[in-house]
Amino acid sequence: EIVMTQSPATLSVSPGERATLSCRASQSISTKLAWYQQKPGQAPRLLIYGASTRATGIPARFSGSGSGTEFTLTISSLQSEDFAVYYCQQCDYWPRTFGQGTKVEIK
Amino acid sequence: EVQLVESGGGLVQPGGSLRLSCAASGFTFGNYWMYWVRQGPGKGLVLVSHISTDGSGTNYADSVKGRFTVSRDNAKNTLYLQMNSLRAEDTAVYYCTRDLPGVGASDFWGQGTLVTVSS
Repeated sequence: EIVMTQSPATLSVSPGERATLSCRASQSISTKLAWYQQKPGQAPRLLIYGASTRATGIPARFSGSGSGTEFTLTISSLQSEDFAVYYCQQCDYWPRTFGQGTKVEIK
Repeated sequence: EVQLVESGGGLVQPGGSLRLSCAASGFTFGNYWMYWVRQGPGKGLVLVSHISTDGSGTNYADSVKGRFTVSRDNAKNTLYLQMNSLRAEDTAVYYCTRDLPGVGASDFWGQGTLVTVSS
């Protein structure tokens, strides 16, 4: 099973600042990586797939990069609605494992 | 508009059974792989099972293999998860999700249904 490790566990950011979230896979997954956003009491929402492709309706301030084992989600200028938990998921091998999540909180 | 609506959750005793349903609408259900993903209280996401478009291909997380069975009825646009021999650690919100073709990610999620296993 591929282990996905996200860092940091919690990221404190002021509105308008940039947030950079990391995700590492225990073995190469090419660009088969997705990012999700989850707000309290809601289902997750797909943000990014294929490591860098924004899903439908996702604002341009969200961007993804990386390949192999190292991936990054960047939120260029945090808006109030972006404070949430973010999960990465590898989409290359079964079982399709998720990272443990990064909580982005207001500083 | 794509909609996925789960039902069937509730309180069940350890060792008991439950069947979850997911009613799909707004898209051609039979053209998509589907997944069940669960999230324990205060915990992360775990992909429990997936099923191919015609139901001939399925896969399960090791933690539920032999106890859970995924199925679908394309005529009724409905996905199912039969859960047997339930354990306390199966307590979670269960989400039905749609596969993004060729990608393997979940592009639409239901609102989830809560399963609580407790005596």
